[in-house]
Amino acid sequence: AQTVTQSQPEMSVQEAETVTLSCTYDTSESDYYLFWYKQPPSRQMILVIRQEAYKQQNATENRFSVNFQKAAKSFSLKISDSQLGDAAMYFCAFSETSGSRLTFGEGTQLTVNP
Amino acid sequence: EAGVTQSPTHLIKTRGQQATLRCSPISGHTSVYWYQQALGLGLQFLLWYDEGEERNRGNFPPRFSGRQFPNYSSELNVNALELEDSALYLCASSLRPGQGVTYEQYFGPGTRLTVT
Repeated sequence: AQTVTQSQPEMSVQEAETVTLSCTYDTSESDYYLFWYKQPPSRQMILVIRQEAYKQQNATENRFSVNFQKAAKSFSLKISDSQLGDAAMYFCAFSETSGSRLTFGEGTQLTVNP
Repeated sequence: EAGVTQSPTHLIKTRGQQATLRCSPISGHTSVYWYQQALGLGLQFLLWYDEGEERNRGNFPPRFSGRQFPNYSSELNVNALELEDSALYLCASSLRPGQGVTYEQYFGPGTRLTVT
């Protein structure tokens, strides 16, 4: 069974600065997908970024980028130029190919200080 | 484009009763997923439906069940409610998974179920 671990229950960052959230996972699969979701106080889960394991290039979406280290089974999220609206719970998630469930980490609560 | 919708927003039930939660996927999405987010337990996968059939099930007792209708909307039923069933229930939808392809899951706002 796959497991996803987020070792940072809480993180804080100053507005306009950069923060990195960590995620490690365990799987015996060679092909899979990784995601970062954010859950603001409204509780609506919002997809931030997605990474296919077969792609060596790290995914980037505007101010959000990942550092995907397949051998180390590590998948960190970097948020650049942090904004107050980035404050939320961030979840790392794993999915096998061909659909299937998302396995989530425990989450990291990000606070952005003005 | 309308997102995933869920109803009701809040639901209060008494232990032993049944709860029915509803989800409408994004237009064009055939897969619907249900997750439970209980305090202290994180997000746990419950059920996955595609094309009207249950495709996968999480580690939950049989009193958690559901179905998917021909229009791809879905219902989650929880029978014989227990206090620990109190949680936020999230529904997500995606395009039909293909061989070797996983599509993003888009989530609804959730239904907050409180069991007293």
